Amino acid sequence: EAGVTQFPSHSVIEKGQTVTLRCDPISGHDNLYWYRRVMGKEIKFLLHFVKESKQDESGMPNNRFLAERTGGTYSTLKVQPAELEDSGVYFCASSQLPGVYEQYFGPGTRLTVT
Amino acid sequence: DQQVKQNSPSLSVQEGRISILNCDYTNSMFDYFLWYKKYPAEGPTFLISISSIKDKNEDGRFTVFLNKSAKHLSLHIVPSQPGDSAVYFCAAGRRKNRDDKIIFGKGTRLHILP
Repeated sequence: EAGVTQFPSHSVIEKGQTVTLRCDPISGHDNLYWYRRVMGKEIKFLLHFVKESKQDESGMPNNRFLAERTGGTYSTLKVQPAELEDSGVYFCASSQLPGVYEQYFGPGTRLTVT
Repeated sequence: DQQVKQNSPSLSVQEGRISILNCDYTNSMFDYFLWYKKYPAEGPTFLISISSIKDKNEDGRFTVFLNKSAKHLSLHIVPSQPGDSAVYFCAAGRRKNRDDKIIFGKGTRLHILP
């Protein structure tokens, strides 16, 4: 069974540019989560999809971040325009059950905004 | 305000000895706790969990202890092996609320010394 995959693994962009991160969850997992970790800090929740619907987007920092999950399969997270403080590692995770259950994480996308 | 705290950023333990990683939480409503392990350039992987109705859960070399009155849990690794060198994240949430999210700590980097 393939795990959660994320693309790209690393992205370096300049302030003001746009970046789109992609996540492919484990097949059959309706629940998809986005998290961000800034160096040395906690893994912070951004949002939760159930199939194609946004269940909880309370962790999204501001309206420069847009997440989509068309068709309930893969998801994208777009940052536009990027700011320096957006740098960090963005993780995607998926699970069969919603809520506080084991989640399977992807390898992350390291975003560096210069 | 951090609800899950891992106050030791790093820990060094001799190979073969016991590693003890600590975690404190502030929300008394948390009823489920998880530990994740993370290697560099990889996503966190689930290690072990415990429900608030238990005070101990064991899986091979890994044991998690929960002290609800102190709002404290710990992960014991016995004996420690070189492959245990990683960052360990403590996480918690309210499993009774199916819409609740998992809250992560900042992580503790464990170094197993030869």
